[in-house]
Amino acid sequence: RKEVEQDPGPFNVPEGATVAFNCTYSNSASQSFFWYRQDCRKEPKLLMSVYSSGNEDGRFTAQLNRASQYISLLIRDSKLSDSATYLCVVNGGDTGRRALTFGSGTRLQVQP
Amino acid sequence: SQTIHQWPATLVQPVGSPLSLECTVEGTSNPNLYWYRQAAGRGLQLLFYSVGIGQISSEVPQNLSASRPQDRQFILSSKKLLLSDSGFYLCAWRVRTANSPLHFGNGTRLTVT
Repeated sequence: RKEVEQDPGPFNVPEGATVAFNCTYSNSASQSFFWYRQDCRKEPKLLMSVYSSGNEDGRFTAQLNRASQYISLLIRDSKLSDSATYLCVVNGGDTGRRALTFGSGTRLQVQP
Repeated sequence: SQTIHQWPATLVQPVGSPLSLECTVEGTSNPNLYWYRQAAGRGLQLLFYSVGIGQISSEVPQNLSASRPQDRQFILSSKKLLLSDSGFYLCAWRVRTANSPLHFGNGTRLTVT
């Protein structure tokens, strides 16, 4: 089983739609979680951290379910500019080495 | 504020030629530094990480090497490039605390011909 798994998509949604991605992780000791956004041929950029109680940033909502070992990202009122690949990142808690494990990403295509 | 610089942005090199990619971080001290590679249409592969000057850990055996001659400088090298070394190389840094996120440079797109 992969350490971090994501549905690769693509998720094709119309503008204004609500879309949700899930990401599962295998290490129950994982301590922190992030969502990154990567545009085509660009570097990944931090979208938001995921907190235990869930958190919201504008149209984006992140949730953590420790019991089932998954995190989710909800995008409301999708914009064309939301089209990108969304990477789930899990931190095993080690401060030094390869603590951060990346999922392979979920591709979102918002259509007019 | 912290910034990370990575260069060059693109590079085309023949098989067998050497490689040197450089990355510097500003606005922070004692960062953890990382080199990742992303093949076309694939996920991120961790190549090297460093927790301090001269301290390099390799994740994947290959013909690449890394060095950290200064606290905020990270260099990726190869003596002889292979076709399979083509890809998108990303330098990243993070604060040395357990729950800090990674911050990436703009990346170098390497094509080995």
